[in-house]
Amino acid sequence: DAEITQSPRHKITETGRQVTLACHQTWNHNNMFWYRQDLGHGLRLIHYSYGVQDTNKGEVSDGYSVSRSNTEDLPLTLESAASSQTSVYFCATSDGVTDTQYFGPGTRLTVL
Amino acid sequence: AQSVSQHNHHVILSEAASLELGCNYSYGGTVNLFWYVQYPGQHLQLLLKYFSGDPLVKGIKGFEAEFIKSKFSFNLRKPSVQWSDTAEYFCAVNFYGNFRLAFGKGNQVVVIP
Repeated sequence: DAEITQSPRHKITETGRQVTLACHQTWNHNNMFWYRQDLGHGLRLIHYSYGVQDTNKGEVSDGYSVSRSNTEDLPLTLESAASSQTSVYFCATSDGVTDTQYFGPGTRLTVL
Repeated sequence: AQSVSQHNHHVILSEAASLELGCNYSYGGTVNLFWYVQYPGQHLQLLLKYFSGDPLVKGIKGFEAEFIKSKFSFNLRKPSVQWSDTAEYFCAVNFYGNFRLAFGKGNQVVVIP
């Protein structure tokens, strides 16, 4: 069955460190998205990609970057982790036809 | 800017009670509408969706939602909830043409046995 995997599932890091969160999908979907989930804010879009070599900023992109070198992967990098980036991060994909998004299991990131 | 509003962020009710969660969006054009559910400690799962046709949409686990275009609303309902419906529910709207979903802030629903 097609799926979305995220790794690591839990991560604790220190302020100022670079952190990369992995997202891998076997849906063969062109569209991939990164969200963060925080209490009282719901899901907020960080970055998204419509295909290989395409990346776009979402509503809360400051301090984050992504790159898309193949269809399956969209890693999210925190250039210099800050305590405000403590959150749960979800990766999602869609086929671009029905716009239904499918979500990965999430990564809980704590920045100390 | 397009936005999605969900009311009554925290809902507590007893088993067998009826549930209705409101969702309103601000956009006058064509939209696709979704409700997602997130059970404790899990990822978001699609509950139901509306693209076109019958405005009353039935989803999994006995949930349904009604699209009322004139009111820019897509309210979620379940006639009789169970303890296992304890979860957070998110309304999402695809503002046509950009493949992105805008999410509401969610409704935390707790069902007491």
